[in-house]
Amino acid sequence: AQSVTQPDIHITVSEGASLELRCNYSYGATPYLFWYVQSPGQGLQLLLKYFSGDTLVQGIKGFEAEFKRSQSSFNLRKPSVHWSDAAEYFCAVGDTTGGSYIPTFGRGTSLIVHP
Amino acid sequence: DGGITQSPKYLFRKEGQNVTLSCEQNLNHDAMYWYRQDPGQGLRLIYYSQIVNDFQKGDIAEGYSVSREKKESFPLTVTSAQKNPTAFYLCASSTGGAPYTEAFFGQGTRLTVV
Repeated sequence: AQSVTQPDIHITVSEGASLELRCNYSYGATPYLFWYVQSPGQGLQLLLKYFSGDTLVQGIKGFEAEFKRSQSSFNLRKPSVHWSDAAEYFCAVGDTTGGSYIPTFGRGTSLIVHP
Repeated sequence: DGGITQSPKYLFRKEGQNVTLSCEQNLNHDAMYWYRQDPGQGLRLIYYSQIVNDFQKGDIAEGYSVSREKKESFPLTVTSAQKNPTAFYLCASSTGGAPYTEAFFGQGTRLTVV
């Protein structure tokens, strides 16, 4: 089965600073990768996804992610963080098991933004 | 507007009781999923369904049951056999059949054992 690893449980940045959240995947072929964001007590919202083509993917809210096959990574970036970006961020992979498609998530990274 | 509706938002269960969490979608999606979220553990798959009248166990199905009698509905029952049911439960759906399609989520139900 495919999986993703988010090595950072918490990340703290100052408002206006740049952000990079890490995600590593385990899969031999090209994976289908996603980043989702979750505000406290809410469901998840898709930020961006990658499945082929350009390795730099643009998403909503000013986020982007870069797929690096050599490093098995799909890191999420934002050049300037706003206080409203404080949330839980999940990396996910589209796994296929027995003909079924299963979104499989990392454990999440909590982003704390200091004023 | 199309989306996924979970109800109730908060649910309290006494020891030994079964409770049912509702999940309804009007996105015409074939696939539906239930996840459990605990702090620091991400989302763990409980059950999933790719088509009406069919569902499969996920990684942590013990103590839970589901049904899929209608395309738009996928209720989750937390039974008394689930020893630690206090958690945040998320329902999701997708068009299914392709791993590059995104999942759409409801707003979640927070279940607390009292």
